[in-house]
Amino acid sequence: DIVMTQSPDSLAVSLGERATINCKSSQSVLYSSNNKNYLGWYQQKPGQPPKLLIYGASTRYSGVPDRFSGSGSGTDFTLTISSLQAEDVAVYYCQQYYSTPRTFGQGTKVEI
Amino acid sequence: EVQLVESGGGLVKPGGSLRLSCAASGFTFSNAWMTWVRQAPGKGLEWVGRIKSKTDGGTTDFAAPVKGRFTISRDDSKNTLYLQMNSLKTEDTAVYYCTVGDGDYWGQGTLVTVSS
Repeated sequence: DIVMTQSPDSLAVSLGERATINCKSSQSVLYSSNNKNYLGWYQQKPGQPPKLLIYGASTRYSGVPDRFSGSGSGTDFTLTISSLQAEDVAVYYCQQYYSTPRTFGQGTKVEI
Repeated sequence: EVQLVESGGGLVKPGGSLRLSCAASGFTFSNAWMTWVRQAPGKGLEWVGRIKSKTDGGTTDFAAPVKGRFTISRDDSKNTLYLQMNSLKTEDTAVYYCTVGDGDYWGQGTLVTVSS
């Protein structure tokens, strides 16, 4: 199974400042045949189901604000919130969909 | 608008069984691969299993902790996904979500509590 490890487990960021979350996979999630990374990012606010933010490591899902961006390839990925807003307080998860079983990172809690 | 509504959760004793349902609307259910994900209280997300569309074979895959105890099925005529859970353990206590594909859309979840 591919193990996904996020860092940090939690971080506190001032309003308007940048938040950066890292995700490392135990093996590459880059499909060489199409050069796509099978890596997604989710946001989960308290009491709500997760929402897809980013897929393919760097493509924002429909309706996701452009302050959210994803980067990285192979085994190392980053989710960046360029200017943190109050509504971004949540837990963020990365997930690989390169192979089954799909696996999630342990989550990163973002607070103000 | 895509809607996923899970139902069937509740309190069950260890060793018991439960069947969850997920009623889908707003997309072509028969073409979709569907997934179950769970979240134990205060914990992170755990992939449970997936069923492919019938045109892609309709096969299922499961995470190791539930393999042999859980089955996933679908009724495309009713736009409904199912999760049959047998031999339940206390560690299966969680909110169970159904999702489209690998997580494009999520339902609100249904809570399963396994306790004596």
